[in-house]
Amino acid sequence: ETGVTQTPRHLVMGMTNKKSLKCEQHLGHNAMYWYKQSAKKPLELMFVYNFKEQTENNSVPSRFSPECPNSSHLFLHLHTLQPEDSALYLCASSQGLQGAEETQYFGPGTRLLVL
Amino acid sequence: AQSVAQPEDQVNVAEGNPLTVKCTYSVSGNPYLFWYVQYPNRGLQFLLKYITGDNLVKGSYGFEAEFNKSQTSFHLKKPSALVSDSALYFCAVRGAYNTDKLIFGTGTRLQVFP
Repeated sequence: ETGVTQTPRHLVMGMTNKKSLKCEQHLGHNAMYWYKQSAKKPLELMFVYNFKEQTENNSVPSRFSPECPNSSHLFLHLHTLQPEDSALYLCASSQGLQGAEETQYFGPGTRLLVL
Repeated sequence: AQSVAQPEDQVNVAEGNPLTVKCTYSVSGNPYLFWYVQYPNRGLQFLLKYITGDNLVKGSYGFEAEFNKSQTSFHLKKPSALVSDSALYFCAVRGAYNTDKLIFGTGTRLQVFP
């Protein structure tokens, strides 16, 4: 439960605000992920980092800007969001990207509401 | 293309009864299959996975899942449900190719009644 932490747990922001989500993993993993979870929809993969390098951007709008300063920390910078961006944002980590059998471990998420 | 389906939005079961949460998949080549559980206001928690070998996989909290290649299914099961098992369950699949991604189903809400 404490392997991957996320802050804040809840966030309310206006469309003109700038905010950041933080994720930290304590598992010694090398890969980190951002997902968006909306009601009644499958999890949407947003970004993937491996050894601090971005390996995937799943056509995410530029108002979402990820940052990975090291293998343990991942940020998601938010700017001029839209109400439809309201969702649960989940961070995950895995040992690496080497094998299809890699298990991803998730944080508790940040519940974001854009007004 | 990869896909995964959870045909039931919700499954209701009485405490003490067996439960099954269904999952079917489509991938090219051998599948890697996962089950996750999400409790209210929590992230996804890994339950179990199938990579290869025995078709019956045992996981956390007494859950198990059976891989059926001919039916392309990976149903989650538990012999005796607990009220505390009530949660949202996600099936996920990934193909064996390096370019394959982990694809999640839409989730099934399990409600266990006392």
